Amino acid sequence: DTEVTQTPKHLVMGMTNKKSLKCEQHMGHRAMYWYKQKAKKPPELMFVYSYEKLSINESVPSRFSPECPNSSLLNLHLHALQPEDSALYLCASREGYRAAADTQYFGPGTRLTVL
Amino acid sequence: SQELEQSPQSLIVQEGKNLTINCTSSKTLYGLYWYKQKYGEGLIFLMMLQKGGEEKSHEKITAKLDEKKQQSSLHITASQPSHAGIYLCGAPALSSNTGKLIFGQGTTLQVKP
Repeated sequence: DTEVTQTPKHLVMGMTNKKSLKCEQHMGHRAMYWYKQKAKKPPELMFVYSYEKLSINESVPSRFSPECPNSSLLNLHLHALQPEDSALYLCASREGYRAAADTQYFGPGTRLTVL
Repeated sequence: SQELEQSPQSLIVQEGKNLTINCTSSKTLYGLYWYKQKYGEGLIFLMMLQKGGEEKSHEKITAKLDEKKQQSSLHITASQPSHAGIYLCGAPALSSNTGKLIFGQGTTLQVKP
């Protein structure tokens, strides 16, 4: 089973709202990722968690706040977003035991619209 | 910084035709991933190539890695409408050992019945 699940599938929020995206995997993977993908562009890395610790923050604005409560869960908390933050947010995971040698599996994504 | 360039950017083929998509890296490749994406959906893993000269096949899709040319190719034989989508190549970023992936811009494939 190589399934990564994401909820919700779609999210519409105002600029003053607070919302959260959720990602879950039960493959025992120890590395988890958040990517942002704008229309007709490739995914761009936002955050990497390795063994539940934040290892990479790609200079993401603080209105995006990641959280890894346990090895299976990854959240992305959203607050005071801008319309330009509207995008497809993808979660991915990989085993994480060998540097860059194992496959990243992606979830179906959350389509976020900021009004 | 490392960049991946895909060609062509888009492709329209008649059902049953063969096609090839290329992915060229600006720096040495230490592995190359191919993914497929339907618009607005997640990335589906197709294949991973790790060694120069490696070739892998799955159903009607074959991918090769040419280390010397810093290039990978994805070949689809006898294309079907189900092959339509966006094909993305990805490579581990040289500057990181956390599995960060750099992606090409993608190739959009349409298959006409």
